[in-house]
Amino acid sequence: AQSVTQPDIHITVSEGASLELRCNYSYGATPYLFWYVQSPGQGLQLLLKYFSGDTLVQGIKGFEAEFKRSQSSFNLRKPSVHWSDAAEYFCAVETNAGKSTFGDGTTLTVKP
Amino acid sequence: DVKVTQSSRYLVKRTGEKVFLECVQDMDHENMFWYRQDPGLGLRLIYFSYDVKMKEKGDIPEGYSVSREKKERFSLILESASTNQTSMYLCASSPNGPLGPNYGYTFGSGTRLTVV
Repeated sequence: AQSVTQPDIHITVSEGASLELRCNYSYGATPYLFWYVQSPGQGLQLLLKYFSGDTLVQGIKGFEAEFKRSQSSFNLRKPSVHWSDAAEYFCAVETNAGKSTFGDGTTLTVKP
Repeated sequence: DVKVTQSSRYLVKRTGEKVFLECVQDMDHENMFWYRQDPGLGLRLIYFSYDVKMKEKGDIPEGYSVSREKKERFSLILESASTNQTSMYLCASSPNGPLGPNYGYTFGSGTRLTVV
């Protein structure tokens, strides 16, 4: 069965520091992978997606993610975090026929 | 800007009531989904639909039903609300139906339902 693991429940970084959020997936075929962000009390917003081609994908808000097939990973990165990036981040893999399986999320706290 | 609109942000209902959660999208998307989100449990798929009149069970359909009479509207129904259905409910949509890839979901803002 397909699954997504986000090993870090909570991460704290200082404003201006770099960020990496980890995501590992389990899926038999070539995966379609996504990162979403959720601000408190809101729905999820799509940050970026990977379907094929270049393994480094760019998204909105200055985020990028790198697909590594050998490690079954799709880690999210940002070179310099802003206080407004504090939120919960979800990694997802598309399963069959358009459905997605989500990880449990990583909560990001940004220290001033 | 494309949108998924959930009719209520907050709802308080009594145990045993029949509850309707409405979701409307303006993007002409084929797929629509209902998830519930609970602390420590992530997002769990309740039901989804690939087209009008079509519905498929997700991972936790018990106690729920859905209706999709028009392409843009997908309703979640709690037949007899119980306290363990207190949760955040998220509606989402995506294009392409069951034969195409999911290009990423567009989510509504969520409905926080409390059953007392």
